[in-house]
Amino acid sequence: GESVGLHLPTLSVQEGDNSIINCAYSNSASDYFIWYKQESGKGPQFIIDIRSNMDKRQGQRVTVLLNKTVKHLSLQIAATQPGDSAVYFCAERSLAGGTSYGKLTFGQGTILTVHP
Amino acid sequence: DTEVTQTPKHLVMGMTNKKSLKCEQHMGHRAMYWYKQKAKKPPELMFVYSYEKLSINESVPSRFSPECPNSSLLNLHLHALQPEDSALYLCASRPGTGGSPLHFGNGTRLTVT
Repeated sequence: GESVGLHLPTLSVQEGDNSIINCAYSNSASDYFIWYKQESGKGPQFIIDIRSNMDKRQGQRVTVLLNKTVKHLSLQIAATQPGDSAVYFCAERSLAGGTSYGKLTFGQGTILTVHP
Repeated sequence: DTEVTQTPKHLVMGMTNKKSLKCEQHMGHRAMYWYKQKAKKPPELMFVYSYEKLSINESVPSRFSPECPNSSLLNLHLHALQPEDSALYLCASRPGTGGSPLHFGNGTRLTVT
């Protein structure tokens, strides 16, 4: 079946380094992608999103890159801080039958640990 | 703090109990979601409501019964659960049109004994 997955389950970086978290997806019909951050004991928190008609989008300290040719999504975090330590999930939206809103399917997640 | 409020934060129930999880949002969002998340796993979709009507049921067992009384509230009624149903139950909402991110609550941590 269709799935969204991550290449690396864990990532450890030093404070101040740049972090790159990768995600592979297999549903070529997905039109919208989101990165979420989930801290312990909390729900997923929106970081940044990108539509399939774009290949790059920048936010504050974060950049998402989309390569539709190889079905790859990445999240770049600049100057990583200890507060960035969390689990990061990519998610893809696919339109489900009977609804125009679609459903969001999450990848497996990457644990990011930032060392001071 | 999140704009999606879930209560209770923690719930312990026996397999014969009946309990309900509640979710509330006042952002005017018209699509609301229930997700289930096991430890160290991604959230898995259970139900989607759009304009207060159930639009997606991901083949969830009938011991989970969703309800959307109005556009701001979403309930999940629980009955005769199994220990393997222990998980974090997340509620989310979004405006309901076009591509927009889900806004999640902090979840209810459910333990079934």
